[in-house]
Amino acid sequence: KNQVEQSPQSLIILEGKNCTLQCNYTVSPFSNLRWYKQDTGRGPVSLTIMTFSENTKSNGRYTATLDADTKQSSLHITASQLSDSASYICVVSHNTNAGKSTFGDGTTLTVKP
Amino acid sequence: EAQVTQNPRYLITVTGKKLTVTCSQNMNHEYMSWYRQDPGLGLRQIYYSMNVEVTDKGDVPEGYKVSRKEKRNFPLILESPSPNQTSLYFCASRIPATGVDNEQFFGPGTRLTVL
Repeated sequence: KNQVEQSPQSLIILEGKNCTLQCNYTVSPFSNLRWYKQDTGRGPVSLTIMTFSENTKSNGRYTATLDADTKQSSLHITASQLSDSASYICVVSHNTNAGKSTFGDGTTLTVKP
Repeated sequence: EAQVTQNPRYLITVTGKKLTVTCSQNMNHEYMSWYRQDPGLGLRQIYYSMNVEVTDKGDVPEGYKVSRKEKRNFPLILESPSPNQTSLYFCASRIPATGVDNEQFFGPGTRLTVL
């Protein structure tokens, strides 16, 4: 069983609308949780990084939240744009082994005009 | 420009023919890592290196080798490639190896096909 589960698997929204992507993890203890954006055929690009003591982190129209007690994170995208169409990946780094990271399978977001 | 480069970007080869995918970063990063990405499976870690001459297995190391003789380079070696190693490969780096603001930078990817 994957230690990082993302939902939904895919999502279609209209341009200008908001959306929220979910990430549940069982990795424990963890060092940090990251959200990445990956365009088709390209390398992932970092959006936010949070440690267990942080509750929220913003990067422009992207806001990530973290609840370390329930082991849940979310990525909220505000006023979506066509260029937001991509895969969004949640990654958890292990605290006992800083070199290891576990990736979620990603949520594929499609923004339509 | 700060970046992670990979070569080749595309490669078609045959079973059993040894190959090396190079990875280089110009950011003086201590940490480097290799991942493979397959449809429906997401990114999986193959090997990582916390610093020069220090390498460790990730989640899917079988069939791969790596070396870290210098900080900037982290080649991925397939001694005897098999069709199940057909995948999209990404190299990544970050500094410091541990810490809070250690954004990880990914290379552009290498699409490998093993016939």
